[in-house]
Amino acid sequence: DAKTTQPPSMDCAEGRAANLPCNHSTISGNEYVYWYRQIHSQGPQYIIHGLKNNETNEMASLIITEDRKSSTLILPHATLRDTAVYYCIVRVEGGGADGLTFGKGTHLIIQP
Amino acid sequence: NAGVTQTPKFQVLKTGQSMTLQCAQDMNHEYMSWYRQDPGMGLRLIHYSVGAGITDQGEVPNGYNVSRSTTEDFPLRLLSAAPSQTSVYFCASSYSETQYGYTFGSGTRLTVV
Repeated sequence: DAKTTQPPSMDCAEGRAANLPCNHSTISGNEYVYWYRQIHSQGPQYIIHGLKNNETNEMASLIITEDRKSSTLILPHATLRDTAVYYCIVRVEGGGADGLTFGKGTHLIIQP
Repeated sequence: NAGVTQTPKFQVLKTGQSMTLQCAQDMNHEYMSWYRQDPGMGLRLIHYSVGAGITDQGEVPNGYNVSRSTTEDFPLRLLSAAPSQTSVYFCASSYSETQYGYTFGSGTRLTVV
């Protein structure tokens, strides 16, 4: 799986859009970008994933650059409950059987 | 309620004791895995299973055993607990990660004294 780089921490004002970057410059053509988050003391939660097209679901949007070397997770209207550590993970297509490799992620703090 | 259930939620062990952390899911997921999370760190993979009767080692398997006799259950055994195994343990399951991602349990907080 390709290596990812994320900023260790970010702040965002409540009600604003939170934009979390992830660099994955060595990504291969068959590797997906996944995002999970972990709210304090809880198990990680799956958010969204994509291959090369932008994706949106009820939780967030995922924007992947055309060269696929970086991506941005967007929480459109951040709330205090979105304070969490966000993990960007790159994995091969269909490679979900053998578990996940987590980095240190980005600690997003939503300010009131 | 559908999901991943871990028991116990908290446990204190003495060095050298053995115990089993339980993990059960009722979603008919084939893929299951165990992770440990030390303070300020990301999760590290201990063992994983791609189906009943099939298990394999992850990044940090030493000191742990697993078995998968049914689709629903994936217990993690600590053979002889050591203080270095003090951690929070998470179990996860998935039907198809490329479509649905992994579902995680709420964790077991283990302290070895």
